[in-house]
Amino acid sequence: DTGVSQNPRHKITKRGQNVTFRCDPISEHNRLYWYRQTLGQGPEFLTYFQNEAQLEKSRLLSDRFSAERPKGSFSTLEIQRTEQGDSAMYLCASSLGTPDYSKNIQYFGAGTRLSVL
Amino acid sequence: GQQLNQSPQSMFIQEGEDVSMNCTSSSIFNTWLWYKQDPGEGPVLLIALYKAGELTSNGRLTAQFGITRKDSFLNISASIPSDVGIYFCAGSGGGTYKYIFGTGTRLKVLA
Repeated sequence: DTGVSQNPRHKITKRGQNVTFRCDPISEHNRLYWYRQTLGQGPEFLTYFQNEAQLEKSRLLSDRFSAERPKGSFSTLEIQRTEQGDSAMYLCASSLGTPDYSKNIQYFGAGTRLSVL
Repeated sequence: GQQLNQSPQSMFIQEGEDVSMNCTSSSIFNTWLWYKQDPGEGPVLLIALYKAGELTSNGRLTAQFGITRKDSFLNISASIPSDVGIYFCAGSGGGTYKYIFGTGTRLKVLA
């Protein structure tokens, strides 16, 4: 049984460069979420997908950020023209696609730690 | 972004002591989750709560869904050194599948 997998675990980049992270959800889960976590804070919601459809985006997701889930399986999160303020842990979670909101339990990956120099 | 109020922010306790922490929201939630996060890792699910007033246990952990649906509580009994970490609450409601997380409670256990 594999959990949520995120790659890479760590990414160091220079300001202005583009970066892309990948998330592979638990195989039977059709909902996938991206969160960002800065030091000393709890995770903050960025966006989520049901299958390949991106259904909700946070205002935190500026136009430099784009997320895709082209075949409803893995997802990528790209940050263009990175800024130092983008340094954070980017967490991916997945859940079963039950319509019952109260049964929407999210399981997290280990995260990708981004450092922008 | 929005975060839930979680208290205490941090606590040092002696091994064997019981621990209590809580989480409050200005919004009503349908689901409360409690996670534990170790440094450099993702949050790990501890307990899920689905109904107001519900009390659920997982080993030495017990959590309650507040009757107002605006708060939740986590208790850890007989703490051990491996309980060290950051505990987060997370609530979901209002017809969305996203969760709003608390600010975290940092627990340190002194042997």
